[in-house]
Amino acid sequence: GESVGLHLPTLSVQEGDNSIINCAYSNSASDYFIWYKQESGKGPQFIIDIRSNMDKRQGQRVTVLLNKTVKHLSLQIAATQPGDSAVYFCAESLMDTGRRALTFGSGTRLQVQP
Amino acid sequence: GAGVSQSPRYKVAKRGQDVALRCDPISGHVSLFWYQQALGQGPEFLTYFQNEAQLDKSGLPSDRFFAERPEGSVSTLKIQRTQQEDSAVYLCASSGDRGSSKDYGYTFGSGTRLTVV
Repeated sequence: GESVGLHLPTLSVQEGDNSIINCAYSNSASDYFIWYKQESGKGPQFIIDIRSNMDKRQGQRVTVLLNKTVKHLSLQIAATQPGDSAVYFCAESLMDTGRRALTFGSGTRLQVQP
Repeated sequence: GAGVSQSPRYKVAKRGQDVALRCDPISGHVSLFWYQQALGQGPEFLTYFQNEAQLDKSGLPSDRFFAERPEGSVSTLKIQRTQQEDSAVYLCASSGDRGSSKDYGYTFGSGTRLTVV
């Protein structure tokens, strides 16, 4: 399949370590944020989302942190596994305006070393 | 089907040729989206349908791009007189009722890789 993220920033971690992927979003009015995982040859896969009235949300092995003051979003993956290797994108939207378009960030490649 | 299905998986077009890309959303999903993803970049929004109504087409890059969803299910993205800069992966996504936060996050298909030569 086609390659995703040939020239993206890369985070390399050892299997079992925790990973932190960061994202700076662009619009201070954005009220909804999503993290997606994209493997080569596949479409983005939903991981976790967060509304702007929250600053932290936890899922299974993943945590999203939102800092609206500095327009920063992070994704923490606990006990990273080889299957977590992929390109990760944050996305933002204006949910309350009804506009459904998502604006994606530029992405980070996560490489998990066994 | 269980997921969003797109066809063809790959398409090679000669410059100037017209192409049509198909998207079968998840059954019952009212919202359908098209995105364009250039190599090494994040997806960029093209257009959005709610049922058969095209509510937002602000991302379509030119009048050579046209999308339709006549019966509120299958959608087709058509690109006329293709140019080399149209080469990208075209992603389709669908979503359920926007009243459900779980469904506000779209489900994407695997995309159609368009190469214009």
